[in-house]
Order: sequence, then C-alpha cells, then structure tokens
Amino acid sequence: AQSVAQPEDQVNVAEGNPLTVKCTYSVSGNPYLFWYVQYPNRGLQFLLKYITGDNLVKGSYGFEAEFNKSQTSFHLKKPSALVSDSALYFCAVRDVIYNQGGKLIFGQGTELSVKP
Amino acid sequence: EAGVTQFPSHSVIEKGQTVTLRCDPISGHDNLYWYRRVMGKEIKFLLHFVKESKQDESGMPNNRFLAERTGGTYSTLKVQPAELEDSGVYFCASSQERGFSNSPLHFGNGTRLTVT
Repeated sequence: AQSVAQPEDQVNVAEGNPLTVKCTYSVSGNPYLFWYVQYPNRGLQFLLKYITGDNLVKGSYGFEAEFNKSQTSFHLKKPSALVSDSALYFCAVRDVIYNQGGKLIFGQGTELSVKP
Repeated sequence: EAGVTQFPSHSVIEKGQTVTLRCDPISGHDNLYWYRRVMGKEIKFLLHFVKESKQDESGMPNNRFLAERTGGTYSTLKVQPAELEDSGVYFCASSQERGFSNSPLHFGNGTRLTVT
C-alpha cells in the first residue's frame, strides 16, 4: 500500500530564513508525489508535483521540492520564508489509473509558522 | 473559471439526524473525489467518481454514508444517521484526466460538520 509520512507536526521558522517541511513516502512502482497547502478556512491549493524528470521541482509562491529516490523523500523547501507562508502543508502520493485519475493519499500535515 | 464549490460551509446537527453535503465540481471535470479530515488528523479519502460511476469507494467508513453523482455533474454526500465521530471537515475535489496526465486535484473550501 502507498503511504506518506510527515514526521513533524509543526515547523517554526523566522522570516527570511530558509524553510524545509519533510515528507517521506512508500510506494510500489513509480511515485507520483504532490504538495498542497491549506490556508485557514480555505481548501487545499496545489503547490507542485513530481512525476518524472528533474529531481528538483519548482512550484507556486517560490516553493520547490527535492525528490530523493534513495532516501524515499520529497521535502518541501523555500530559500526565504515569508510570514504569509504560515499555513498547513500536506504531502501526498497518488494512485494513478490510466484515463481515470486516482485518489491522493495524504500525510498527516505539518503546520508551518513563520514569525517576523 | 469557477472553482469547486461546496455547500454548506458549516453544519451543526444533533446525533441521529441526517445531513446532506453538496459539491459542484469545475465544469467539465469528470473526476470527483470526497475526502474528510477528522480532529486534526490526516485527510482521508472517501470515494472517487468518474462521471456518474463510482470508481473507488474503498474509503467510505460505513453504510451510514451515501454518495451520489446523478448525471455526472454535482455530487451529494449524505450521512444518515449522523454519529459524533462523523464530525470533521469534508472536502470535495475535481480533476480532468487524459491518460496518465496527473492533473492536480482542485479542492473546494470544505464543509465543517459538527455533530453534537
């Protein structure tokens, strides 16, 4: 069965510092990995995805994620954090079915707090 | 384009009552998903429609939950009778897929259900 784990419930960062939100995965076959962000009282917003190709994936709002096959990790990163980045971040892996999409399997979420 | 919309945004009901949640996907999206997040835990998959057909309903917790998608447009999720443990945030998402396109899922803002 496919699964993802986010080992940190909360990450605290000072504004302007780099941030990392960790994610590890377990899949059979090729991994399809995603990061989503949830701001208060809002739905989940897509940040970025890894399907194949370059291990460093760039996404929205200056975020990027590094796919590491040997460590089965897909950590989310940003070089310089903003207070407005404070939100709940979810890593997910996807069960893909040809022409029919497929469910996302989410980690438990990491709350990012960026202080001025 | 209009995003995924969910109604109501909040619902407070008593144990034993019935509640129906509605989701309007993005127009033209064949894939529709229901998820829920209970008590700050991970986001759990409930089921997946492709048009009006249930592609995967492996996440439905029990027969008190009934999802429909008549005509392959909007979907409803009915909980009858509601129990205390059904409280949480119910998310709907939609996507349009071609092959292994891995289109991101677009999420609604969720319905916060409280059962008292």
